[in-house]
Amino acid sequence: DTEVTQTPKHLVMGMTNKKSLKCEQHMGHRAMYWYKQKAKKPPELMFVYSYEKLSINESVPSRFSPECPNSSLLNLHLHALQPEDSALYLCASSQDNRGNQPQHFGDGTRLSIL
Amino acid sequence: SQQGEEDPQALSIQEGENATMNCSYKTSINNLQWYRQNSGRGLVHLILIRSNEREKHSGRLRVTLDTSKKSSSLLITASRAADTASYFCATDGNGQNFVFGPGTRLSVLP
Repeated sequence: DTEVTQTPKHLVMGMTNKKSLKCEQHMGHRAMYWYKQKAKKPPELMFVYSYEKLSINESVPSRFSPECPNSSLLNLHLHALQPEDSALYLCASSQDNRGNQPQHFGDGTRLSIL
Repeated sequence: SQQGEEDPQALSIQEGENATMNCSYKTSINNLQWYRQNSGRGLVHLILIRSNEREKHSGRLRVTLDTSKKSSSLLITASRAADTASYFCATDGNGQNFVFGPGTRLSVLP
């Protein structure tokens, strides 16, 4: 079991749908991350939240919209996605967003766009 | 552009053998981390090594860092079937955000 919980585990959606991915941690971490991972590739950083504020956006298309309602929760709102957005979406957290902290990952949401 | 790059891309060994994976990076770093990912799961942190450290151990894992060569290695001793996974290095520093290398897929055969 991981300490970072992601829901749902699997999601299939059409290109016109709106859905949200959720991530929760109760380790008191103040940095949270969204990554996108394609098959047999490394995770690619999408967003970083530090103390509930968006600190890094790696030029992600606006059809992905992150939200951090509080220090324990992180959402990723999806709208008008493309087939190439099908991937494993991983959430992670760390004590803070300095690179000298290990990141704790959830098991991801496997997203398929029809 | 990717910061860390692992080699080999894939490695198959027998149980009980040692496995060595290498990671090279392009710019100066503050820290380098190694992670493991089992199929269909999230990543698990293994070891963090700082730029002023040369070697760290954790159980059957040994990580070395050579900042002059911009490279790191991960050694898993006495491998087990349960070590079968993908292994990634990740770096930060020099204005770069956290970047993962392409990874090494390790298969440990019983």
